[in-house]
Amino acid sequence: GAGVSQSPSNKVTEKGKDVELRCDPISGHTALYWYRQRLGQGLEFLIYFQGNSAPDKSGLPSDRFSAERTGESVSTLTIQRTQQEDSAVYLCASSLLAGGKETQYFGPGTRLLVL
Amino acid sequence: EDQVTQSPEALRLQEGESSSLNCSYTVSGLRGLFWYRQDPGKGPEFLFTLYSAGEEKEKERLKATLTKKESFLHITAPKPEDSATYLCAVFQSGGSYIPTFGRGTSLIVHP
Repeated sequence: GAGVSQSPSNKVTEKGKDVELRCDPISGHTALYWYRQRLGQGLEFLIYFQGNSAPDKSGLPSDRFSAERTGESVSTLTIQRTQQEDSAVYLCASSLLAGGKETQYFGPGTRLLVL
Repeated sequence: EDQVTQSPEALRLQEGESSSLNCSYTVSGLRGLFWYRQDPGKGPEFLFTLYSAGEEKEKERLKATLTKKESFLHITAPKPEDSATYLCAVFQSGGSYIPTFGRGTSLIVHP
């Protein structure tokens, strides 16, 4: 079956512009996580969605970052007024359930460069 | 503070030279530990999940083991195609469903 897909694969933007990143999880996966990976760094948790529960936004670095998910399908991560420090790879992962008893499957990532 | 530390940061091996990667963790309780492989420009690819001390899992040339404080990823007779960054992630037991990732070990296997 299809894996997790993300779009765009690469995004170059100018400082101050807004960007929207998209994630299509594996069908049937109720949990969806967003991570940020800076060059040479580990994965940094941003936000996760579990079914219809309120998302856990505790990892969002500032109020410029927001995310939405429609039911148990597509999710979008929006970064407003981008800054150069936002340059990173943004990874999405989905799993049957949140919490570590189910495997997370990752998408290929969106490489964001803010000039 | 809960931490996940991977060592070494980088490892160079000759083809056929077996070695081990380490993931040590300090959490109050472990729900699950995951190993991933990440190739340049790609998302992490799932390898193993371990849940309790003493557990072991194998896949081809890879074997993952778990103790109460650390996990090892043993690579037996590696090949150049095993070159990648290996990531470890820990889910703590309790109410949080947020994993902590280590920074990874970059493995290069020379032919």
